[in-house]
Amino acid sequence: AQSVAQPEDQVNVAEGNPLTVKCTYSVSGNPYLFWYVQYPNRGLQFLLKYITGDNLVKGSYGFEAEFNKSQTSFHLKKPSALVSDSALYFCACGRGSQGNLIFGKGTKLSVKP
Amino acid sequence: EAGVAQSPRYKIIEKRQSVAFWCNPISGHATLYWYQQILGQGPKLLIQFQNNGVVDDSQLPKDRFSAERLKGVDSTLKIQPAKLEDSAVYLCASSPWTGMSSGNTIYFGEGSWLTVV
Repeated sequence: AQSVAQPEDQVNVAEGNPLTVKCTYSVSGNPYLFWYVQYPNRGLQFLLKYITGDNLVKGSYGFEAEFNKSQTSFHLKKPSALVSDSALYFCACGRGSQGNLIFGKGTKLSVKP
Repeated sequence: EAGVAQSPRYKIIEKRQSVAFWCNPISGHATLYWYQQILGQGPKLLIQFQNNGVVDDSQLPKDRFSAERLKGVDSTLKIQPAKLEDSAVYLCASSPWTGMSSGNTIYFGEGSWLTVV
């Protein structure tokens, strides 16, 4: 069965420092991997996805993610964190052939000034 | 381009009552999803429609939940009777693809927040 794991419930970063939110996956076949962000009382917003090709994927708001097949990881990164990046981040993988998503439990990112 | 529209945004009901949520997907999107997000967890798929047909409803509690997508556009999710554990955010989403692929981006609405007391 396919699954996604986000090992950290919360990540704390100082503004201006680089941030990493971790995600590992377990899928059969080629993985389709996504990152979404959820601000308080809002729905999920798409950040980026990996389908194939370059292992470094660039997305919205300066975020990027690195696909690592050998480590089955898809960590979300940003070189310089902003206070406004504070939110809940979800990693997800495409499920089977239907195209729906399996989500991790989420990681709360807190960026302090 | 307008996003996925959902209503109502917030609803409080007593257990054993019924509730319905409405969703209008992004124009032209053939695939529509309903996800349930319980506090502290990631979203879980309840049902997926392709046009007006059901693709996956394996995780829908069919004894109390029902959903329809008449005419392949708008969709309604109903819960009857509601239980305390149904308190969650119900997220509607849509996707622009019409084939079978796991690489297409899914766009989410703002969610309908349900509290069952």
